[in-house]
Amino acid sequence: KAGVTQTPRYLIKTRGQQVTLSCSPISGHRSVSWYQQTPGQGLQFLFEYFSETQRNKGNFPGRFSGRQFSNSRSEMNVSTLELGDSALYLCASNGGTGAYNEQFFGPGTRLTVL
Amino acid sequence: AQSVTQLGSHVSVSEGALVLLRCNYSSSVPPYLFWYVQYPNQGLQLLLKYTSAATLVKGINGFEAEFKKSETSFHLTKPSAHMSDAAEYFCAVSGTYNTDKLIFGTGTRLQVFP
Repeated sequence: KAGVTQTPRYLIKTRGQQVTLSCSPISGHRSVSWYQQTPGQGLQFLFEYFSETQRNKGNFPGRFSGRQFSNSRSEMNVSTLELGDSALYLCASNGGTGAYNEQFFGPGTRLTVL
Repeated sequence: AQSVTQLGSHVSVSEGALVLLRCNYSSSVPPYLFWYVQYPNQGLQLLLKYTSAATLVKGINGFEAEFKKSETSFHLTKPSAHMSDAAEYFCAVSGTYNTDKLIFGTGTRLQVFP
């Protein structure tokens, strides 16, 4: 079974631009979560989608948004990029329906904002 | 509210020595606890998890952790370090009612010397 895939793996943008990152979950997984990893703040939860609906949300400004498609693929968008948005963005998928669902992480997209 | 504290951002051991990585948690609800490992330029891989069954949990690669409610701890150990264990390790907590949102500690980088 293929793992979680994220595209692109690396991205360079300038301040003020917007960016879209993509995540394809493991086949059959319906839940996709996004995390931001920075040296200063560590790993922080952004949001989680299940069956095309946002089910959980972290404490990030509205510039960070996401969506999930009917095939469970998910995208996150960051508008009006700031230097502090430079980070590794990790996506995780799980089955989404049990009492405990193991999260499987992708390799991440490294975003650099200049 | 939930939080995780990892004591020691860097731990160095000799090959063959005991590995001990410390994690203390705070949770207002019964917690699920996890240890993840991250190798350079990769995503997170689940080492082991505590989901309210046995308090001594065995994971992959010879790692284990013990859930101690009285000490609010979930320390990770391995009897004999291997060079391939060098990586960053993250402790995480989630609530038993919302396992899709993980709260991570700040991580501990493990170095293994020959």
